[in-house]
Amino acid sequence: DIQMTQSPSSLSASVGDRVSFTCRASQSISKYLNWYQQKPGKAPKLLIYSSSSLQSGVPSRFSGSGSGTDFTLTISSLQPEDFATYYCQQSYSTPGFGPGTKVDIK
Amino acid sequence: EVQLVESGGGLVQPGGSLRLSCAASGFTFSDHHMDWVRQAPGKGLEWVGRTRNKVNNHTTEYAASVRGRFTISRDDSKNSLYLQMNSLKTEDTAVYYCTRLNWNDDFDYWGQGTLVTVSS
Repeated sequence: DIQMTQSPSSLSASVGDRVSFTCRASQSISKYLNWYQQKPGKAPKLLIYSSSSLQSGVPSRFSGSGSGTDFTLTISSLQPEDFATYYCQQSYSTPGFGPGTKVDIK
Repeated sequence: EVQLVESGGGLVQPGGSLRLSCAASGFTFSDHHMDWVRQAPGKGLEWVGRTRNKVNNHTTEYAASVRGRFTISRDDSKNSLYLQMNSLKTEDTAVYYCTRLNWNDDFDYWGQGTLVTVSS
């Protein structure tokens, strides 16, 4: 199985900050990497698919990059509604999720 | 509008069984692979399994942690997905989500989730 890791596990930031966090796969997954946002008590929401494609309706402040084993999700200017947990997920083989990065208010 | 609505969660004793359902609407259900993903309280997301679309003969695939105990099925005539859970363990306690697999191999729609609690 492909193992997914994310760093950091949590970060504190302020509204307006540019934040980035990473996801790493235990083997190359090409660009088969998706990002989800989850708020407490809610289902996850797809943000980015295929490493860098923005899902319809998702604000353009979200962007993704990477290929192979290393991937990054960037929020260009953090908004109040962006405080949440972010999960990466590989779709190269049997689906697997990273442990998540929690973004909270500094 | 695409909607996925799960039902059937509840409290069950260890070793017991439970059947979850997911009612789909707003899209051609038979065209899509459908998956179950779960989330234990305070934990991350865990993929449970998949049933493929009609073209792929509704074949199934499971996570190692549930293989042999859980069975995924679907009824395309009713736009419904099911998860039969047998020999439940306390570690199966989680919110179970029904998800649609999109053409880009991402989960583009999720249900609201249904809580399964395995406890004596």
